[in-house]
Amino acid sequence: DAGITQSPRHKVTETGTPVTLRCHQTENHRYMYWYRQDPGHGLRLIHYSYGVKDTDKGEVSDGYSVSRSKTEDFLLTLESATSSQTSVYFCAISERSDTQYFGPGTRLTVL
Amino acid sequence: KNEVEQSPQNLTAQEGEFITINCSYSVGISALHWLQQHPGGGIVSLFMLSSGKKKHGRLIATINIQEKHSSLHITASHPRDSAVYICAVDGRTSGTYKYIFGTGTRLKVLA
Repeated sequence: DAGITQSPRHKVTETGTPVTLRCHQTENHRYMYWYRQDPGHGLRLIHYSYGVKDTDKGEVSDGYSVSRSKTEDFLLTLESATSSQTSVYFCAISERSDTQYFGPGTRLTVL
Repeated sequence: KNEVEQSPQNLTAQEGEFITINCSYSVGISALHWLQQHPGGGIVSLFMLSSGKKKHGRLIATINIQEKHSSLHITASHPRDSAVYICAVDGRTSGTYKYIFGTGTRLKVLA
């Protein structure tokens, strides 16, 4: 298995609070991605990174920001969580157009 | 209309049956991926295809680039094959390596 971890694995928070999810890789892959998975929608790209300090928006980026200060870490921040951001969040990594490897997921509940 | 459509959405089979899951897409691609997600969440890549056919154990994946269609076949299905199978295309429309996902096919194999 590719070395990808996500933390926390589960989180319950209240509306309006900030939340940061962490993705950590040990594979030295260039590309990192944050997705959310919701019933009926499949996986949707939130943000992605193509290098340290190089990030871009995906299709559902509103309400989310990211940072990548080191190759191995990609952080996803919800500045002010809303109930619509209750979801399962997956991080993935890849090297160019190779296969993407997924982390174990973080289940976030916003009350 | 979604750019990646899978059928069926749900499938129940008896152990030993031959199973086919279909994926159609409407965008130009450089590769198509089949992923497996077991209950509990982990997502694993099964195949990456750009042409022809690939086989791994009891799993076979085919792609027809001209028809923009791919199939995933499972021979001699087993209850441990029960999972959600996800088709994703590598949408090289912007020069970046981003997947576009189908909504998945939920397979249940009964003993």
